[in-house]
Amino acid sequence: GESVGLHLPTLSVQEGDNSIINCAYSNSASDYFIWYKQESGKGPQFIIDIRSNMDKRQGQRVTVLLNKTVKHLSLQIAATQPGDSAVYFCAGGALQTGANNLFFGTGTRLTVIP
Amino acid sequence: GAVVSQHPSRVICKSGTSVKIECRSLDFQATTMFWYRQFPKQSLMLMATSNEGSKATYEQGVEKDKFLINHASLTLSTLTVTSAHPEDSSFYICSAPLVGEETQYFGPGTRLLVL
Repeated sequence: GESVGLHLPTLSVQEGDNSIINCAYSNSASDYFIWYKQESGKGPQFIIDIRSNMDKRQGQRVTVLLNKTVKHLSLQIAATQPGDSAVYFCAGGALQTGANNLFFGTGTRLTVIP
Repeated sequence: GAVVSQHPSRVICKSGTSVKIECRSLDFQATTMFWYRQFPKQSLMLMATSNEGSKATYEQGVEKDKFLINHASLTLSTLTVTSAHPEDSSFYICSAPLVGEETQYFGPGTRLLVL
């Protein structure tokens, strides 16, 4: 089976600094990855995704990096703001199964210090 | 983007009663929906896959007679926690994939507290 896990359960950053949240996976057949943000008491929200044919993808203030060699991906948040405080999950799966078989990591709680 | 709603957002019930949670895709049709359970400070745990027009598929260790799932239409799936007990207290979240996309869109979750 596949496991998707996070290196750090908590991360505190100063407002305005950049945040980096890491995630490791074990199944080399995984070719699609998603980052979700979950605020307290709410459901996860889609942030950004990446396919394995890419090693970098950028969104608004967020960048996802994928290193297939070491089965690692990261989420970078630029100029972190208090509203970024949340739990961040990575999820992985195989494109051929679509969204039907996503595996979720344990989550990293990001706390932004004003 | 795709919007998924859940009702109720929170519910408190007595032990032994049953609780129904609704999951709706508001602006798209979903032949498949997923039900997750989340304990405090933990990740999402997939409970079952709800399939429109057929039986739900349950993950190992999830009692299908305890957690009844009905996918009544292309926009509605319901999860009924039967004979609820305090250990069923949790955050229940549903999601649905959008046809043509690989990601899942999540509902806002339902907080269940069984007294």
